[in-house]
Amino acid sequence: GNSVTQMEGPVTLSEEAFLTINCTYTATGYPSLFWYVQYPGEGLQLLLKATKADDKGSNKGFEATYRKETTSFHLEKGSVQVSDSAVYFCALSGRNFNQAGTALIFGKGTTLSVSS
Amino acid sequence: DSGVTQTPKHLITATGQRVTLRCSPRSGDLSVYWYQQSLDQGLQFLIQYYNGEERAKGNILERFSAQQFPDLHSELNLSSLELGDSALYFCASSVEGNSNQPQHFGDGTRLSIL
Repeated sequence: GNSVTQMEGPVTLSEEAFLTINCTYTATGYPSLFWYVQYPGEGLQLLLKATKADDKGSNKGFEATYRKETTSFHLEKGSVQVSDSAVYFCALSGRNFNQAGTALIFGKGTTLSVSS
Repeated sequence: DSGVTQTPKHLITATGQRVTLRCSPRSGDLSVYWYQQSLDQGLQFLIQYYNGEERAKGNILERFSAQQFPDLHSELNLSSLELGDSALYFCASSVEGNSNQPQHFGDGTRLSIL
């Protein structure tokens, strides 16, 4: 079936360190890929998206490139801040998923903790 | 602020009871999705509505039902509640329910079953 696999957390970094959170997917058809972020006590916020192969999504210093050949969508940021501490979810959506319409299929989430 | 409003924020009730969760989508959005977030299952899709019609079902129990009204707000009804139904329930909306469009999430309703 269709699925998303994220690296296990928690990820603990010092301020200004480089961040990579790995995400790979299994899907039929041509899914769209998303990264969402969840701050404590809040809902999910869209961080970035990519809708076709080789697209690069970017926002607030975060980037991810849709790699169809490796079925990956890794999240990166060159210099993290304490305010980036949150849970990050990789997700996919596509029309060809049986019985699922255009619902998002999420990874389990990766907790990022950044210290000053 | 995502523009998606969910009420109530917290709900505490007992096993066997019935509750209704409410969602108002962003202005202009026609599609509403419901998700359940729990520690053991993660984020799981429950059901999608588009312009008042059910479009897709995910892992939604038969004890659960939903609808979308003409003003596009949606309600999720959970009945015969069990301890395992304790979770955070999110509503999300998008313009047309197209897979390329991002979904915008509310802050969720935290349901606790005692």
